[in-house]
Amino acid sequence: DAGVIQSPRHEVTEMGQEVTLRCKPISGHDYLFWYRQTMMRGLELLIYFNNNVPIDDSGMPEDRFSAKMPNASFSTLKIQPSEPRDSAVYFCASSLGRIGNEQFFGPGTRLTVL
Amino acid sequence: AQSVTQLDSQVPVFEEAPVELRCNYSSSVSVYLFWYVQYPNQGLQLLLKYLSGSTLVKGINGFEAEFNKSQTSFHLRKPSVHISDTAEYFCAVTRTGGSEKLVFGKGTKLTVNP
Repeated sequence: DAGVIQSPRHEVTEMGQEVTLRCKPISGHDYLFWYRQTMMRGLELLIYFNNNVPIDDSGMPEDRFSAKMPNASFSTLKIQPSEPRDSAVYFCASSLGRIGNEQFFGPGTRLTVL
Repeated sequence: AQSVTQLDSQVPVFEEAPVELRCNYSSSVSVYLFWYVQYPNQGLQLLLKYLSGSTLVKGINGFEAEFNKSQTSFHLRKPSVHISDTAEYFCAVTRTGGSEKLVFGKGTKLTVNP
């Protein structure tokens, strides 16, 4: 099993540009989570999906952020327009089934907005 | 809502010494508790979890944690650490019967020195 796959691993962009982060969850998992990690705020849940449907997006910081899951094997997190304060490591995680099951994390995307 | 407090942001120890990483949680309902570890430049991975049953939980790499409901704590311990245990450790909580949403603490950076 390849685990959760994220791309790109590193992204450097300029303020105002659109950024798209991609995630492929573990096959068969029905939950997908997007997290953001910064020194100041720690690890924050942005949004999560169950069976491709967004369940809770209360952590999405503002309208500049959007996430989609068009099918069970792919999700995107888009920032448009990007700002320097969006610089962070973004993690995707997936899990199977019920509460209490392990979330498997991808390696993360390190985003730098200049 | 649930919250997690990790009392120490950094813990330096010498190799082969014992270590305890402290975690307290706040919740008005029953919870499940987790410890995750993040090695440098990697995603998080599960160390151990408490769902029910014995309050002493054993995890991977020789770690264990004890659930103390009266003190709302879930401290992580290892009797003898190795250099390879150098990493950041995150305590997390979710309520039983609730959503899959995990609330993470800010993390404790464990540095094991030779």
